Amino acid sequence: DARVTQTPRHKVTEMGQEVTMRCQPILGHNTVFWYRQTMMQGLELLAYFRNRAPLDDSGMPKDRFSAEMPDATLATLKIQPSEPRDSAVYFCASGLGSDTQYFGPGTRLTVL
Amino acid sequence: AQKITQTQPGMFVQEKEAVTLDCTYDTSDPSYGLFWYKQPSSGEMIFLIYQGSYDQQNATEGRYSLNFQKARKSANLVISASQLGDSAMYFCAMREGNFGNEKLTFGTGTRLTIIP
Repeated sequence: DARVTQTPRHKVTEMGQEVTMRCQPILGHNTVFWYRQTMMQGLELLAYFRNRAPLDDSGMPKDRFSAEMPDATLATLKIQPSEPRDSAVYFCASGLGSDTQYFGPGTRLTVL
Repeated sequence: AQKITQTQPGMFVQEKEAVTLDCTYDTSDPSYGLFWYKQPSSGEMIFLIYQGSYDQQNATEGRYSLNFQKARKSANLVISASQLGDSAMYFCAMREGNFGNEKLTFGTGTRLTIIP
């Protein structure tokens, strides 16, 4: 049963620290998405890739967030420096073209 | 304007009854896709059902069906014979266009609680 995996599942850090979240998309999927979920804003798209190329990162605060796909099996989302307002659940999802997106379990980030 | 509107923040339904969760959408693109996801208290997002704008028939997946009314721009999720395990948040989402745009826009969700 193919699934998207995300690490870590939970992260507690202090303001100013760097945070790296990792995602392994489903093998064979060529699109990867990063979403952020908060009570106030709901689900927001931060960035997405097709065939490892970044297509849209307009939802991402550019000064502190960065998203990369070093290879087809790994996507990363980094926050440096982290702030308390970054506390949220971060989801990675993958899909094949414009087909259904399948979500990972999420990383719950708490910035103190 | 909101692309996806879910007007029911919360619903309480008796077990075994059918449930309809409302979703309306706004797009001028003739090609689009509509999705429903379930998010239980454990937090994961589970794909339930998909409807393409050109699909002639309403989508069905087991106890889930999508009541697609194109002229009214609505895509309501129907859950038949509800179960306690159906208690969760439900999100409607839309992808506009087809090839070349894979982004989803999500609604604010409906929290469904099934009462024994």
